[in-house]
Amino acid sequence: SYVLTQPPSVSVAPGKTARITCGGNNIGSKSVHWYQQKPGQAPVLVIYYDSDRPSGIPERFSGSNSGNTATLTISRVEAGDEADYYCQVWDSSSDHPNVVFGGGTKLTVL
Amino acid sequence: EVQLVESGGGLVQPGGSLRLSCAASGFTFSSYWMSWVRQAPGKGLEWVANIKQDGSEKYYVDSVKGRFTISRDNAKNSLYLQMNSLRAEDTAVYYCARPRYSSGSDAFDIWGQGTMVTVSS
Repeated sequence: SYVLTQPPSVSVAPGKTARITCGGNNIGSKSVHWYQQKPGQAPVLVIYYDSDRPSGIPERFSGSNSGNTATLTISRVEAGDEADYYCQVWDSSSDHPNVVFGGGTKLTVL
Repeated sequence: EVQLVESGGGLVQPGGSLRLSCAASGFTFSSYWMSWVRQAPGKGLEWVANIKQDGSEKYYVDSVKGRFTISRDNAKNSLYLQMNSLRAEDTAVYYCARPRYSSGSDAFDIWGQGTMVTVSS
């Protein structure tokens, strides 16, 4: 089965740029989606199809995907961005498409 | 307002059963694939199952195959998850989730608030 690998944690100072990676075999050939989850809340979609932002998501959130790594970039980080972030793809290697999530990355704003 | 509201969670003994429900509103429920996603305490997200618009296709993660059954009632705008032979490792918050578009293989843009299932003696 397809595996997505994320760093367990990333720390960044306010106003700086945070980059959260999501590794997978030839992930650049797949569409990657990113979710933000704050404690006690449901996940919120922040990036879909590698780099598109849903309405209401600040432009500070951006994404890229190439080769074996997808990246969620958060510019001008704010205290309110502190959360867990998950990448997700659909894997079609089996007899039917499967949803695969990365293990999640805890973003800490110093 | 587009909304998903889960219910039915609770405490159940190992080997027991539980049925979760997800009430949809604010969109044409019958036009969308729907999924269940769970999150064990302190752990990451895990997709559990999904179901096609008319219920003709259903898929499950290997760990729940043969124990869980996903179903839907489009007339009631409701999604269900029947969970049998529950194990301690099934303890989690269970979310229902809707993809952005009806094709199914898309990002999940609508999530419920989740319902907690605890399997313990």
